[in-house]
Amino acid sequence: GAVVSQHPSWVICKSGTSVKIECRSLDFQATTMFWYRQFPKQSLMLMATSNEGSKATYEQGVEKDKFLINHASLTLSTLTVTSAHPEDSSFYICSARKRGDAYNEQFFGPGTRLTVL
Amino acid sequence: GEDVEQSLFLSVREGDSSVINCTYTDSSSTYLYWYKQEPGAGLQLLTYIFSNMDMKQDQRLTVLLNKKDKHLSLRIADTQTGDSAIYFCAERDSSYKLIFGSGTRLLVRP
Repeated sequence: GAVVSQHPSWVICKSGTSVKIECRSLDFQATTMFWYRQFPKQSLMLMATSNEGSKATYEQGVEKDKFLINHASLTLSTLTVTSAHPEDSSFYICSARKRGDAYNEQFFGPGTRLTVL
Repeated sequence: GEDVEQSLFLSVREGDSSVINCTYTDSSSTYLYWYKQEPGAGLQLLTYIFSNMDMKQDQRLTVLLNKKDKHLSLRIADTQTGDSAIYFCAERDSSYKLIFGSGTRLLVRP
């Protein structure tokens, strides 16, 4: 199998606080993890790509100081939304690519719904 | 830049076939994918097709690819109420990133 989990599945926080979201590959090593954001009734937009042991690559328009990504091990990447504001409320989904996978398939987590009050 | 477009909504009767269409712009895409997203959940890979193929069938799912027109379709035979969801097509670009369409909301009426 190739299971990706996210924690928490939903979080509500006050404006100005920071929130950390974890993405774990449960039964495989992931050399690359991706973070997406999905607004209601919209598509997934790639925020950043993170490779284990190196800095994340952010897509144009995504503030790297606001969305801190850490990929400290081959099974864990974290996304921290710093000083969250209501406009950051969204569904955040991660995906992971298996080490050595010739097809470069991405396996998706179940998502984390963030609501900032 | 790359762009992937889909119609927003499709309603079918249970037992009928559903056809969801998608157009893309990146002619160098090697893989094209169909994902299913149920309410409040992540994405489930349904099927994919390699760019040198015209068609792929997997049980109730048939994918057709017209590379000349950059058109991809997903046909679901004998559509069931459990198929109600949002369906995303996606292309993989040359840097292995996935570019998603806007999603088609499929509603299956009993």
